[in-house]
Amino acid sequence: DVKVTQSSRYLVKRTGEKVFLECVQDMDHENMFWYRQDPGLGLRLIYFSYDVKMKEKGDIPEGYSVSREKKERFSLILESASTNQTSMYLCASSKAVPYEQYFGPGTRLTVT
Amino acid sequence: GENVEQHPSTLSVQEGDSAVIKCTYSDSASNYFPWYKQELGKRPQLIIDIRSNVGEKKDQRIAVTLNKTAKHFSLHITETQPEDSAVYFCAASTPGDGNKLTFGTGTQLKVEL
Repeated sequence: DVKVTQSSRYLVKRTGEKVFLECVQDMDHENMFWYRQDPGLGLRLIYFSYDVKMKEKGDIPEGYSVSREKKERFSLILESASTNQTSMYLCASSKAVPYEQYFGPGTRLTVT
Repeated sequence: GENVEQHPSTLSVQEGDSAVIKCTYSDSASNYFPWYKQELGKRPQLIIDIRSNVGEKKDQRIAVTLNKTAKHFSLHITETQPEDSAVYFCAASTPGDGNKLTFGTGTQLKVEL
């Protein structure tokens, strides 16, 4: 059974802070993704990675960066958090593309 | 890049009725079309998917149809039950765009008793 976990369910940060969101999957999946989910906008892809140390920009990468040093772990970094980055952040992984993506439980980030 | 439009944004049906959600996509090269269901407070989960070499796929009460010429695909749920109440997302994947998924904006389905 695939398990994708995220470091926090809820997070409150102040404007300008550096924020780390971590995602871990236990199924040896090559592909990992970071999305943000906002009401009425669906799921929008921020960054994705096909392999360790590889990263690709998604549709809304501005203000974010990522790190993938190990196959099972994919981190999303907000270098200087802003209020418009208040959102639900979802991580996902898949064994191949295009193929089923397994999502984590999400992190609700509030930036004040 | 790919653009996926989804309609309606909300849908209310009586228990036992059918529900249909429609999506259109812009890139004719897209070849994989999954549907995800997200219950309140839960993570999205795949419920059915279809690839471009197939016109229709069924799984019990759920079916998906694909019309490549018109560039649209639909989710059909028959004999709806209260546990079908959720947000449903369609998506499309394009080989020339890293095979990433582009999602629609979601449909809130409410099944009323």
